[in-house]
Amino acid sequence: EAQVTQNPRYLITVTGKKLTVTCSQNMNHEYMSWYRQDPGLGLRQIYYSMNVEVTDKGDVPEGYKVSRKEKRNFPLILESPSPNQTSLYFCASSLGGGFGNQPQHFGDGTRLSIL
Amino acid sequence: AQSVTQLDSQVPVFEEAPVELRCNYSSSVSVYLFWYVQYPNQGLQLLLKYLSGSTLVKGINGFEAEFNKSQTSFHLRKPSVHISDTAEYFCAVIRSGGYQKVTFGTGTKLQVIP
Repeated sequence: EAQVTQNPRYLITVTGKKLTVTCSQNMNHEYMSWYRQDPGLGLRQIYYSMNVEVTDKGDVPEGYKVSRKEKRNFPLILESPSPNQTSLYFCASSLGGGFGNQPQHFGDGTRLSIL
Repeated sequence: AQSVTQLDSQVPVFEEAPVELRCNYSSSVSVYLFWYVQYPNQGLQLLLKYLSGSTLVKGINGFEAEFNKSQTSFHLRKPSVHISDTAEYFCAVIRSGGYQKVTFGTGTKLQVIP
């Protein structure tokens, strides 16, 4: 089954404790992206990746890091999480050509709460 | 820079009534436009997209949208809604021609009343 898998689905942690949210897709997609969703603000793009070793900033990259060492994985790293990063996070992927030409497939989301 | 405005944060509508969800965008270059739907506790699913060609775009679940370049709008419509259409709907824009940064609107919650 074609899918985008995020882990963990839920996490409560404390300020300053490094964490990683993993994202994996089994569709051989080139393009992958991370979003955060906050009430009243919709989805905002954090980072995206056009292919292995190619990443770029979205609208809200501050406080986040990403890496794309393998095509299927695109982890989101919070080196020193802060309460303003409490949010619902989505990973998405699509075929080459990126968002413009192909539909995005979204994961089920990761709800992060940082105390 | 590009932006998307969804003026209506919530739209209540009776079952079997028509609905229009509004989306306006701003961009200095040509764009691609999308509508996504998010059901409770799920990720987003593509409803429809406008890349080029006919300005009336038909999507899944009986939804359609019309691209109006002069009014910079891409409103979503359905002639008769069902309870199952209760969800949050997001309009999104990306600059055409391969630039991959995408901007979403703030979302419209459609509540279908029996």
